[in-house]
Amino acid sequence: EAGVAQSPRYKIIEKRQSVAFWCNPISGHATLYWYQQILGQGPKLLIQFQNNGVVDDSQLPKDRFSAERLKGVDSTLKIQPAKLEDSAVYLCASSFRFAANQETQYFGPGTRLLVL
Amino acid sequence: AQTVTQSQPEMSVQEAETVTLSCTYDTSENNYYLFWYKQPPSRQMILVIRQEAYKQQNATENRFSVNFQKAAKSFSLKISDSQLGDTAMYFCAFINSGTYKYIFGTGTRLKVLA
Repeated sequence: EAGVAQSPRYKIIEKRQSVAFWCNPISGHATLYWYQQILGQGPKLLIQFQNNGVVDDSQLPKDRFSAERLKGVDSTLKIQPAKLEDSAVYLCASSFRFAANQETQYFGPGTRLLVL
Repeated sequence: AQTVTQSQPEMSVQEAETVTLSCTYDTSENNYYLFWYKQPPSRQMILVIRQEAYKQQNATENRFSVNFQKAAKSFSLKISDSQLGDTAMYFCAFINSGTYKYIFGTGTRLKVLA
């Protein structure tokens, strides 16, 4: 079974530039998550999708971050414009369905973003 | 607010020895789930073990076991017969059955020494 795929693996940009990350979840997984993991901290949930609908985006800085999950499969996370404090690893995860007893999350390798 | 606290930023253990990582959480909910995730230096996070709050029996997965104390809101991970491949960041995580939102602790960096 293929795991969660993410690209790119690394990205270096200058502040005020734009960047986009892509995630392909495990086939059949209805729930998709984007996390931000700053060095030395645990992952922080940015947004959670159930199929192509947003379940939780309360911690997403909506003035600069946006995410979509067209057709309930792949997802993209965009930052525009980037700030220095956005430097982090962006993790994508998926789970089979939106129910706590199935809520084991499978993580992708992450995208490491450095904003200069 | 629901929080997860891991009070040990770093730990080390000799190969073949046993180590316990601590985790406490705060919630007013009664139905929830607790997890330990491992994040090796390659950074892909994987599930180590999970515990349903309604189960009194502690979860066990091979060399990994938990000590779940619901009244104390404590959820520690014990790794027996530590192996070099256990070197990683370990995150404790919590999800309640109402919000389905994961809350992670800040992690414990474990180093297994040869």
